[in-house]
Amino acid sequence: ILNVEQSPQSLHVQEGDSTNFTCSFPSSNFYALHWYRWETAKSPEALFVMTLNGDEKKKGRISATLNTKEGYSYLYIKGSQPEDSATYLCASLTGTASKLTFGTGTRLQVTL
Amino acid sequence: DGGITQSPKYLFRKEGQNVTLSCEQNLNHDAMYWYRQDPGQGLRLIYYSQIVNDFQKGDIAEGYSVSREKKESFPLTVTSAQKNPTAFYLCASSPHPSSYNEQFFGPGTRLTVL
Repeated sequence: ILNVEQSPQSLHVQEGDSTNFTCSFPSSNFYALHWYRWETAKSPEALFVMTLNGDEKKKGRISATLNTKEGYSYLYIKGSQPEDSATYLCASLTGTASKLTFGTGTRLQVTL
Repeated sequence: DGGITQSPKYLFRKEGQNVTLSCEQNLNHDAMYWYRQDPGQGLRLIYYSQIVNDFQKGDIAEGYSVSREKKESFPLTVTSAQKNPTAFYLCASSPHPSSYNEQFFGPGTRLTVL
């Protein structure tokens, strides 16, 4: 994998459903993986910065896992709420440059 | 309140004109970044600065210029050489120029070339 890829592109769930989406990134020369939440008409906000293989982080109902050997990260949302509706971006840093490469995002819509 | 401000929110420009987008932060962050978003694409890095008076080209720097004369400010100039300037522009900052630091984003400027 040369670029950061996210799937699915969009997702529509009912309130209370749990959901997850995937971020795939180059596994060689990996440094860090970032997750951001971007609500409509707001600025992207950081959820997690992950660096270690096997790392798992949690913030409320949202958690993320990281597999640096195979180059993927999962973001889980337990019991989705309408306020979780947003685009979720992941970004990775690989190589020596101090810059992130972003995926195109997963757009989540949670309805009542 | 600490944060990042971008102005203006919407900007219209005639083809062939240069335009400067403002980005200011009062978070005392060393690193600042400019990204561009186009439909169906991820955020793409235009320029970044790790410290005052220093900046580096990102992945799509052609047709853009920046300056970093003050720690708080990182203005982006979209020149007439930029072939497709209509886009949404996001500015971000981080405490240190390291991928381990999360980035803090401004509200963005939507530039439309008429």
